[in-house]
Amino acid sequence: NAGVTQTPKFRVLKTGQSMTLLCAQDMNHEYMYWYRQDPGMGLRLIHYSVGEGTTAKGEVPDGYNVSRLKKQNFLLGLESAAPSQTSVYFCASSVGLAVTGELFFGEGSRLTVL
Amino acid sequence: AQSVTQLGSHVSVSEGALVLLRCNYSSSVPPYLFWYVQYPNQGLQLLLKYTSAATLVKGINGFEAEFKKSETSFHLTKPSAHMSDAAEYFCAVIRSGGSQGNLIFGKGTKLSVKP
Repeated sequence: NAGVTQTPKFRVLKTGQSMTLLCAQDMNHEYMYWYRQDPGMGLRLIHYSVGEGTTAKGEVPDGYNVSRLKKQNFLLGLESAAPSQTSVYFCASSVGLAVTGELFFGEGSRLTVL
Repeated sequence: AQSVTQLGSHVSVSEGALVLLRCNYSSSVPPYLFWYVQYPNQGLQLLLKYTSAATLVKGINGFEAEFKKSETSFHLTKPSAHMSDAAEYFCAVIRSGGSQGNLIFGKGTKLSVKP
């Protein structure tokens, strides 16, 4: 039972390069989320989706784009990477709103922007 | 607006000692509160949650937390620490308005357990 799988797990980019992080879940969850984790900052929500074909902005959406073309996948894109986007990125999914069910997290993707 | 504050970014205890991790919340509505744990190089997993039923909530691995409205606190405790408890712990509250239904996380408390 895979749960939430993120690819790639590690990536080094140069400033201005683009990339996409892929999140896949096999639990048939409606809700999916992208967070970033920075030392001393906890987790901050970048974007989220409440169902296939929908996306919404979280706390820190600038510089990121997302797509949810299939229910099981949630993609996070960086069009022009900046050093401030060096972080660990976590994808999560849930059956419904956080109040009704727990969030299931992937193992994270560590991104370094030089 | 909702927020959580975790007191102490690092806590160190001896194996067998009491674990106490502090979380205070701010919320204009009755809060839903959570504790998540992150083991090294892993994602977060749910320890326990408070959703306005019993004020003392029991979670996995022997952890529990007590909701105290008068103190706006939701501290996490475990009577006897084990080496395997070494991890980072995050308190979280449900956000209302804006990104409604999503979680606001505290900055985390890293727990070290000494043999």
